[in-house]
Amino acid sequence: AQSVSQHNHHVILSEAASLELGCNYSYGGTVNLFWYVQYPGQHLQLLLKYFSGDPLVKGIKGFEAEFIKSKFSFNLRKPSVQWSDTAEYFCAVTNAGNNRKLIWGLGTSLAVNP
Amino acid sequence: DAGITQSPRYKITETGRQVTLMCHQTWSHSYMFWYRQDLGHGLRLIYYSAAADITDKGEVPDGYVVSRSKTENFPLTLESATRSQTSVYFCASSIGQGTTEAFFGQGTRLTVV
Repeated sequence: AQSVSQHNHHVILSEAASLELGCNYSYGGTVNLFWYVQYPGQHLQLLLKYFSGDPLVKGIKGFEAEFIKSKFSFNLRKPSVQWSDTAEYFCAVTNAGNNRKLIWGLGTSLAVNP
Repeated sequence: DAGITQSPRYKITETGRQVTLMCHQTWSHSYMFWYRQDLGHGLRLIYYSAAADITDKGEVPDGYVVSRSKTENFPLTLESATRSQTSVYFCASSIGQGTTEAFFGQGTRLTVV
């Protein structure tokens, strides 16, 4: 069965630190990849997505992610975090074939200290 | 207002009662989804719908019923609420499944006592 692993469950950083959140998936075929963010008390919203093309994807608020097919990874990065980046981050993957159900990671809770 | 709205935002109910959570979207998206979010489990898909009158089970459908008589509405009913159904429920919609962005509602925090 397909699965998505987010290795860091809780991350605490100081403002201006760099961020990298890991995401690995288990499906071997063509995939669509997503990162969603959930700010405290809010709904999930899309940060960025990868379907094809340049494996380095830029999203909103200075976030980017790199798809490395050989490593089945789609790690999220930001060079300098802000207090307002405190949120829960979810990686999600779907295969590009007939069954396109989104498979979600368990999420990573990021706390940024001012 | 355009978007996806859930009601109620908060609900407390007793074990054994029937509860319906409402979800309404104004984009005419084909797909709609119900998720529950619990600590340690992330997001789990309960049911989804590809179009009006077409629904299918997700990962954790037991104890839930859905219907979709109109494209814009996708209510979720807990037939006989149990404490294990205490959770935050999110409705989402998208144009396609897994090929486009999913838009989420604000969530319903349900407590079963």
